[in-house]
Amino acid sequence: GQSLEQPSEVTAVEGAIVQINCTYQTSGFYGLSWYQQHDGGAPTFLSYNALDGLEETGRFSSFLSRSDSYGYLLLQELQMKDSASYFCAVNMGGGFKTIFGAGTRLFVKA
Amino acid sequence: ETGVTQTPRHLVMGMTNKKSLKCEQHLGHNAMYWYKQSAKKPLELMFVYSLEERVENNSVPSRFSPECPNSSHLFLHLHTLQPEDSALYLCASSHGPSENTEAFFGQGTRLTVV
Repeated sequence: GQSLEQPSEVTAVEGAIVQINCTYQTSGFYGLSWYQQHDGGAPTFLSYNALDGLEETGRFSSFLSRSDSYGYLLLQELQMKDSASYFCAVNMGGGFKTIFGAGTRLFVKA
Repeated sequence: ETGVTQTPRHLVMGMTNKKSLKCEQHLGHNAMYWYKQSAKKPLELMFVYSLEERVENNSVPSRFSPECPNSSHLFLHLHTLQPEDSALYLCASSHGPSENTEAFFGQGTRLTVV
């Protein structure tokens, strides 16, 4: 079967750096995406990695290691507004076969 | 605002009712999706439409019936639902098909079956 594993909860303080890991086992792999979802809101796209390495977008970075079936989302200079759920998602083939992890709930404390 | 609008935002229905969820996008996308989001579970892909034709149906019970009359509108018709169907139903759209396909989600419809 297909599976994505990510921690259910992470807590960090404002201004800190936090890393949210995602490991996957899927029958196909084109890329790893990350989405953010605030309570009551829609999931919003953060990043996509198709190749190994680090992609940086402002305070957020995403990393992929295809050989390890592993990726992570790195959030720097944490702000209270970063408190949300973060989902990793694997694109298994084309645009239509995407499966999501259960999400990591991030709590940012003052 | 993500460009994908879902109505209603909240819905309470009895097990014998028939209702429909609506999704609308004006992003020029040609693929639309229905997802189910239950507490502490992964997002579950229910249906995929590309250019108004169903591409995938991941063994969803027949009490859920999708309809895609054009590339901008998607419906999910509900009938004789069960309490375990209570969840957040999310619509999404994207350009497709492509390996790098960012999905844009609506705010969802919070469905409660009583």
